[in-house]
Amino acid sequence: QKEVEQNSGPLSVPEGAIASLNCTYSDRGSQSFFWYRQYSGKSPELIMFIYSNGDKEDGRFTAQLNKASQYVSLLIRDSQPSDSATYLCAVNQAGTALIFGKGTTLSVSS
Amino acid sequence: GAGVSQSPSNKVTEKGKDVELRCDPISGHTALYWYRQSLGQGLEFLIYFQGNSAPDKSGLPSDRFSAERTGGSVSTLTIQRTQQEDSAVYLCASSRTGTTNEKLFFGSGTQLSVL
Repeated sequence: QKEVEQNSGPLSVPEGAIASLNCTYSDRGSQSFFWYRQYSGKSPELIMFIYSNGDKEDGRFTAQLNKASQYVSLLIRDSQPSDSATYLCAVNQAGTALIFGKGTTLSVSS
Repeated sequence: GAGVSQSPSNKVTEKGKDVELRCDPISGHTALYWYRQSLGQGLEFLIYFQGNSAPDKSGLPSDRFSAERTGGSVSTLTIQRTQQEDSAVYLCASSRTGTTNEKLFFGSGTQLSVL
């Protein structure tokens, strides 16, 4: 059974701080790793994906992947109240469906 | 259409009744996915269609659940003899080819309530 684990939170950070979201996965064959953001009552939307070990930066967001340790993380720099949402980690292999974790709720206070 | 369309947006049914949920993916997208999200939970994978390949049904929770995709486009998820634990938001997503690095585009979901 492929599993994707996340701390459900809530993770609370003050405005301007760095938020760090973590995710571990069970299937060593996983090839691609995604972070989706879901606002309350809305559908998920893609923030970033990563498939190589190391860091990938996009604006205030940095995804980090360590395949040996089977974890992927998302850092949000200069957190804003508008970043308050649930962040879903997802992984897949070629030809298979994307498997999601239960998500981490982030709350950024102004 | 511009995005993934799901209907109905809300469905209230009585326990034991059958329901059909519809998903119209983005035109040209060959991969289509159904997920279920219970209150406060993550997305639970249900079924995945990829082009003309046999669908991956490994996430369907019981034989009361089935799905089909006609003509490689519209998909219908059917739940027979609904139970209260089936109450959830059912999300459909599509992607262009279903390869590993592709973004999934989600519909707005169908909120199913089983009384």
